[in-house]
Amino acid sequence: RKEVEQDPGPFNVPEGATVAFNCTYSNSASQSFFWYRQDCRKEPKLLMSVYSSGNEDGRFTAQLNRASQYISLLIRDSKLSDSATYLCVVTRSGGSYIPTFGRGTSLIVHP
Amino acid sequence: EAGVVQSPRYKIIEKKQPVAFWCNPISGHNTLYWYRQNLGQGPELLIRYENEEAVDDSQLPKDRFSAERLKGVDSTLKIQPAELGDSAVYLCASSSGQGYTFGSGTRLTVV
Repeated sequence: RKEVEQDPGPFNVPEGATVAFNCTYSNSASQSFFWYRQDCRKEPKLLMSVYSSGNEDGRFTAQLNRASQYISLLIRDSKLSDSATYLCVVTRSGGSYIPTFGRGTSLIVHP
Repeated sequence: EAGVVQSPRYKIIEKKQPVAFWCNPISGHNTLYWYRQNLGQGPELLIRYENEEAVDDSQLPKDRFSAERLKGVDSTLKIQPAELGDSAVYLCASSSGQGYTFGSGTRLTVV
């Protein structure tokens, strides 16, 4: 089992739709969680951190479920410009602070 | 603030040739990462530096890959000799403890 798993998609949704992605992780000692966005042929860029209490940034909401070991990203009112790959990142400590990336979930928002 | 700078952006070499990538992290970021990203996959860690010390290089294929970070600032990643399977995007990232900032990457094609 991979340390961080994501459904690669693609998720194909119309503008204005609400879409949610999940990411599961295997190491219960994981401590920090992030969502990154990666556009085609570009580098990943930080979208938002994920906190236990959940956090919201405009149309984006991220949540962490430690008991079930997954994080989620919800995008409301999808825009064409949201089309990208969304990577979840899980960081574990225990001597080496190593971020591990999922393979990413592809989102395509169409008119 | 200047971001993470990588060069070259693209490199095409014949197999068995050497190649080197260069990374200049964000000023003040002590932690530097080299990642390799294959098409349709998330970035995979090759090596992590804390200042000039390589603290995690377990995923670096040491028979052909080497890296250095002299003076704890710039870093170079070298492959010698390159193989066809090394074709990928090589990403450098730096961190001060709050997420990771990536450079634009070097797209390597081995022919």
